[in-house]
Amino acid sequence: DIVMTQSPDSLAVSLGERATINCKSSQSVLYSSNNKDYLAWYQHKPGHPPKLLIYWASTRESGVPDRFSGSGSGTDFTLTISSLQAEDVAVYYCQQYYYTPHTFGQGTQLQI
Amino acid sequence: QLQLQESGPGMVKPSETLSLTCIVSGGSIRINDYYWGWIRQPPGKRLEWIGSISYSGNTYYNPSLKSRVTMSVDTSRNQFSLKLNFVIAADTAVYYCARHPVVAATLSFFDYWGQGTLVTVSS
Repeated sequence: DIVMTQSPDSLAVSLGERATINCKSSQSVLYSSNNKDYLAWYQHKPGHPPKLLIYWASTRESGVPDRFSGSGSGTDFTLTISSLQAEDVAVYYCQQYYYTPHTFGQGTQLQI
Repeated sequence: QLQLQESGPGMVKPSETLSLTCIVSGGSIRINDYYWGWIRQPPGKRLEWIGSISYSGNTYYNPSLKSRVTMSVDTSRNQFSLKLNFVIAADTAVYYCARHPVVAATLSFFDYWGQGTLVTVSS
């Protein structure tokens, strides 16, 4: 199975500051035929289901604030929150969907 | 607005079968462009994809669970189901149902999720 490793495991950022979460896959999730990275990011708050933020590594899901952005390619990816808001406190997961079984990172707890 | 809702027992005895159903509302399950999946999260652990099914019954299972998993779909009731046989304590988890678009003949990310239901395996 493809192993997704996130860093850090937890992160404390001040309101209005930038938060950066990294995700590394054990194999490349870039499909050369369409030049797409099969990588998604989710936000997970307690008592709620995970919410899709980013797919294809950098495409923001409809309705997601533009302070959330995704970057990277191949095996190394980053989720950036440009100006942290109180409602962004959550656990963030990356997921690869290039290989079956789809696999998730261990999660990064973002706090203020 | 598409909504998914899991239903089923909150507790299952070891060696028995865990059965969950996901009811889809606000949209039809009979769409070629989507598969319908199950994901679980044991306490303190990462999310784990269990498997996915199309409305026509095509399935993909996680190899680690394949020998114990059966998924089915009931298009007349707009719902799909999960059965996990011979459960053990390690199967205790929050179970989510979710939808994922099919892109270029590939199962992709999960764009709609149910609220999740905790299933505890205990005697």
